[in-house]
Parts: sequence; C-alpha cells; structure tokens
Amino acid sequence: GQQVMQIPQYQHVQEGEDFTTYCNSSTTLSNIQWYKQRPGGHPVFLIQLVKSGEVKKQKRLTFQFGEAKKNSSLHITATQTTDVGTYFCAGPKDGNKLVFGAGTILRVKS
Amino acid sequence: NAGVTQTPKFRILKIGQSMTLQCTQDMNHNYMYWYRQDPGMGLKLIYYSVGAGITDKGEVPNGYNVSRSTTEDFPLRLELAAPSQTSVYFCAASQKRTGYEQYFGPGTRLTVT
Repeated sequence: GQQVMQIPQYQHVQEGEDFTTYCNSSTTLSNIQWYKQRPGGHPVFLIQLVKSGEVKKQKRLTFQFGEAKKNSSLHITATQTTDVGTYFCAGPKDGNKLVFGAGTILRVKS
Repeated sequence: NAGVTQTPKFRILKIGQSMTLQCTQDMNHNYMYWYRQDPGMGLKLIYYSVGAGITDKGEVPNGYNVSRSTTEDFPLRLELAAPSQTSVYFCAASQKRTGYEQYFGPGTRLTVT
C-alpha cells in the first residue's frame, strides 16, 4: 500500500543551527501537507504544496515539493527553542484521507 | 469558533470496560477522522466519515466503532478495552474546499490497565 517515509527519525540541534527533514512517498502525490506537533500537543497544519518543484516559505521555514512529486522537504533556518516538536508530512489517499509519515522529532539545545 | 473539541482529556479504563470518546466540530466540515498515536509514532487512521450517516474503516478499526448522526459530532466507541488500546486519540475534520487540510482536536490520552 501507499507509504510515506520520513528521515531522520530524530534530530538534536544547537540553537541557531539549521534543520532539515525529508519525506519520500512510494507513489506520486497530487499534493503534500506538513504538520507540526508540539510536545504534549496536537498536530497543527503548516502548509500544503501542490505543484511540481514548488517552493514555499513561512518566515524561517522553507518547504519544497520535488519535481517528480514523490518527495518533499522542510528546512528550518537558524532554529529557535520554539521550533521544538515533531514535524509530519502527509500525502493524500483516496481523495479525502491522509497517510502520515512517522515524523521527525526536533530538539533544540539553547 | 472552537474548531474541534474532544472530551475527556484523560481517562483510565480497566480491561474489559467500555467508553465513548466525544468529538465535536463547529466548522461545518463534512469530513471527520479518528486517529490513534502511540508513543514516538505517527498517526494511524481508525475510522473516518465523509458526511452525516456515512462512516468507513481506516487502517486500524478493530476494537472500535463510530457513528455520525450529525455533521458536528463523531463519537468513537471502545468496547471491551484492552491494554493495546492505550494511546492518544485525535479527532480531526477537513473539507474539500481547502484541499482536505485537517484540523485536529486536543486529543484524549487513554490508559487501559
């Protein structure tokens, strides 16, 4: 079945360092969504990418959708302690459902 | 506008007990979902609904049941609780107009002992 894989599983960075998480799908995706979950919290929608090769920015966060629409990345520039949490990518399945990756846990040392 | 609300926040059940996890949304979204999240893991879809009166199984439906009598409410029923159902349960809602981006409730942390 459809799978969405994320790497790394876990990353611990010094505050101010950059961070990147990668997402790979076993199938071509019509779009990809990214969510953030703070420790003890619930997933919160960040962004949806639709076009091949699309790049979107939200302040220090840069999201990319691969040309083949099978992979995506989230890059955070100069991490801050407020960036701590788990970042999930998710691809659509059968229209209205999502298949979530296992997530990348980000910890930031201040 | 509260979004998606869930009750209770926490619950401890004994093996074999039953309970209903409540989920309500005030966004008038047609699509609703129930997920479970085990420690350090991603989200697994239990059941989903495309509108009032219509529900369907997700990846891990065994041991659970749902109903959707109104657009707003989507309760999840656990019958004969087992330790394997210890998890955090999230309810979510989405609509086609915004590309099915999902809005999650705050979650219910359930322990079965």
